[in-house]
Amino acid sequence: QSALTQPASVSGSPGQSITISCSGTSSDVGGYNYVSWYQQHPGKAPTLLIYDVSSRPSGISDRFSGSKSGNTASLTISGLQAEDEADYYCGSYTSTYGYVFGTGTKVTVL
Amino acid sequence: DVKLVESGGGLVQPGGSLRLSCVVSGFTFSNYEFNWVRQAPGKGLEWLSYISAGGRNIVYADSVKGRFTISRDSAKKTVYLQMSSLRAEDTAIYYCTRYNDFNYMDAWGNGTTVTVSS
Repeated sequence: QSALTQPASVSGSPGQSITISCSGTSSDVGGYNYVSWYQQHPGKAPTLLIYDVSSRPSGISDRFSGSKSGNTASLTISGLQAEDEADYYCGSYTSTYGYVFGTGTKVTVL
Repeated sequence: DVKLVESGGGLVQPGGSLRLSCVVSGFTFSNYEFNWVRQAPGKGLEWLSYISAGGRNIVYADSVKGRFTISRDSAKKTVYLQMSSLRAEDTAIYYCTRYNDFNYMDAWGNGTTVTVSS
């Protein structure tokens, strides 16, 4: 199972919106509404941001939103803040009953 | 509070074995599925293995199939990852994660570090 494809880096100024893409196949992203997104600050464990493509766990800011079209999922961060600077990973259930993560995207707040 | 605490990491020689443990608290252990995920130094996340709530269904990534074994003990509220035939490329932080609705990881431990080196 190959990793899902994400851009290596995305940057934006405070207050702007940015979008991170996550490309997979019909065996993972495109085949199920089971895409999730994780945020990881340096030296910390990842935390869940989005699940089931667009649902937010309790306590997650509504500045984070998710969507999916075909084999590509997206995470949008609105009103970018300094604290959003982190690594972001998408993930998906796969047809082989496993799981696959994306390659990861480093978000820089300019 | 939901907590997952990994332990058992350390320095091991190539070809050696190690058993990681993940003790959970703050929720009903028997109701949940779990995964092990690792992150090599400076690299991304890699899913390794899944175990169902009852322990009967188990899945492995190709990279560890035949070398790693996942298991769980309800009495001890613990998930294990037995690792053997370790290679330098197994060097990583290993995370235990709670798996919800068979599709997202809603709780993570802080990880335990495994270093494979002679």
